[in-house]
Amino acid sequence: DIQMTQSPSSLSASVGDRVTITCRASQGINNYLAWYQQRPGKVPKLLIYAASTLQSGVPSRFSGTGSGTDFTLTISSLQPEDVATYYCQKYDNSDPFTFGPGTKVDIK
Amino acid sequence: QVQLVESGGGVVQPGRSLRLSCAASGFSITTYGMHWVRQAPGKGLEWLTVISSDGNTKFYADSVKGRFTISRDISQNTLYLEMNSLRAEDTAVYYCAKDDHNHGYDYWGQGTLVTVSS
Repeated sequence: DIQMTQSPSSLSASVGDRVTITCRASQGINNYLAWYQQRPGKVPKLLIYAASTLQSGVPSRFSGTGSGTDFTLTISSLQPEDVATYYCQKYDNSDPFTFGPGTKVDIK
Repeated sequence: QVQLVESGGGVVQPGRSLRLSCAASGFSITTYGMHWVRQAPGKGLEWLTVISSDGNTKFYADSVKGRFTISRDISQNTLYLEMNSLRAEDTAVYYCAKDDHNHGYDYWGQGTLVTVSS
């Protein structure tokens, strides 16, 4: 099975900072990657699919890049409401729809 | 509007069974793949299983293969997760999610808590 890793596992940044989270697949998955945000006590929310396509209604400060094995989620200017855990997920139908372990983001 | 409402969670003894339901509204489950995802207390998201839009294809995570079964009732527009031989490590919030044609899960249910304990 393809394994998904994320780094860092947690980070603390100031409001307005640029934040980057990395997701890596153990084998190439083309661009079959989604990013989700889960605020504390809430249901996960889709941010980005196909590695770089912003889901409707998601603020433009979120962006995604990558293809193959290496992907990034960037928050261009961190806001207080962005405090959450962020998960990547592969959805290549040839293998399980594995989630990454998550990256917890909070405000410094 | 699209809504997913899970039910059926509760406290169950190890080794027993439980069936979760996910009632969908605002769309037809015959048009989209449907998934179950769980989250153990304080842990990350774990994908469990998917049923394709035509109902002919099902995949399972190794952790539940042979114990859990995904199914659906088209007439009720409802997704199910039959869970057998439950273990303490199956304790989690269970979510159903709608797969937007391989564009990620655009809708999630609110989750239902399953606690496996004697």
